Amino acid sequence: DAGITQSPRHKVTETGTPVTLRCHQTENHRYMYWYRQDPGHGLRLIHYSYGVKDTDKGEVSDGYSVSRSKTEDFLLTLESATSSQTSVYFCAISDSGRHVTDTQYFGPGTRLTVL
Amino acid sequence: GQQVMQIPQYQHVQEGEDFTTYCNSSTTLSNIQWYKQRPGGHPVFLIQLVKSGEVKKQKRLTFQFGEAKKNSSLHITATQTTDVGTYFCAGLRSSNTGKLIFGQGTTLQVKP
Repeated sequence: DAGITQSPRHKVTETGTPVTLRCHQTENHRYMYWYRQDPGHGLRLIHYSYGVKDTDKGEVSDGYSVSRSKTEDFLLTLESATSSQTSVYFCAISDSGRHVTDTQYFGPGTRLTVL
Repeated sequence: GQQVMQIPQYQHVQEGEDFTTYCNSSTTLSNIQWYKQRPGGHPVFLIQLVKSGEVKKQKRLTFQFGEAKKNSSLHITATQTTDVGTYFCAGLRSSNTGKLIFGQGTTLQVKP
């Protein structure tokens, strides 16, 4: 497996509280992604980063923000968590976003429950 | 927006039976990738198809990319209990930004 870790692995929080999830990679890959996985929806892209301080929105970005101050770290923040953000969150990395043979490597996931 | 539809959503088979999942995109894809996620695990890359009409095999798994590069399939011959999991297709758009569009996944259960 690629060197990707996510923290925390499990979190239970209350509605309205801020939450930050961390993704850390040791592969020096340029691209990093945050997905959420919900039954019946597969994997949906929240935000992605194509370099330090370079980020863009995915298809379900409302209620989420991201930051990338170093190549190896990509943070996902829920400013004010809601129950609809209960999900499993996966971070992924890839070595190129513009190469036709690109593949993504996923971290172990974070299970977030918002009560 | 662009969608990638995957069917069926669930499939239960007896061990030894064959299994197929289908993936259809609303737009032409630059390439298509397949991932497998074991229960409780994370998605793991299986294969990538790039060329129109391409067919690739990995042991009992056969992957096809349609001639129009808008559909794909994964066929497993003689399923085993180790094949249990969810299989996702993911398309990279022709005007790619590096973002993959994932299908909803097909969850395979294999009865021994």
